[in-house]
Amino acid sequence: AQTVTQSQPEMSVQEAETVTLSCTYDTSESDYYLFWYKQPPSRQMILVIRQEAYKQQNATENRFSVNFQKAAKSFSLKISDSQLGDAAMYFCAYRSGYNTDKLIFGTGTRLQVFP
Amino acid sequence: KAGVTQTPRYLIKTRGQQVTLSCSPISGHRSVSWYQQTPGQGLQFLFEYFSETQRNKGNFPGRFSGRQFSNSRSEMNVSTLELGDSALYLCASSLPTSGGYNEQFFGPGTRLTVL
Repeated sequence: AQTVTQSQPEMSVQEAETVTLSCTYDTSESDYYLFWYKQPPSRQMILVIRQEAYKQQNATENRFSVNFQKAAKSFSLKISDSQLGDAAMYFCAYRSGYNTDKLIFGTGTRLQVFP
Repeated sequence: KAGVTQTPRYLIKTRGQQVTLSCSPISGHRSVSWYQQTPGQGLQFLFEYFSETQRNKGNFPGRFSGRQFSNSRSEMNVSTLELGDSALYLCASSLPTSGGYNEQFFGPGTRLTVL
């Protein structure tokens, strides 16, 4: 069975600084996707960034980038130039590449952003 | 384009009652997934439907059931409610493609409180 582990329950960062959220996963599958989702206090889950396992290049979306280490099964999220609006719960998630939308989530990291 | 809608947004029930939650996916989306979010267990996958067929099921007791209609709207039902069923229930929809990636969009959730 696949598992996703987030070992940082809480993180904090100052505005304009950079923060990295950690995530490790375990799977025996070769085809899969990894995601970071953001859940602000309003509760609407939003996709931040995704990574396809077959792609060696790390995904980047504006201020958000990932460090995907496939052999180590590590998938960290780097937020650059942090903004107050980045404050939220961040969930790392795994999805098999085989005909399913099922997401397996980590326990989440609460990110606080201080002015 | 309207997003995923969930009704009701808030619900209070007592132990032993049953409840039905509804999810309307984004127009054209045919895949719907349900998740339970609690402080103790985090985000857990309940079930996934595609074209009225349950494609995947999480590890929940038989009191939890769901279905999908021909217009892709989905309902989940919980019978004989227990205190531990108090949670935020999230629904997500996607437009499945033949192979490859399809983004899931989450609804705002239904907050169920069992007294």
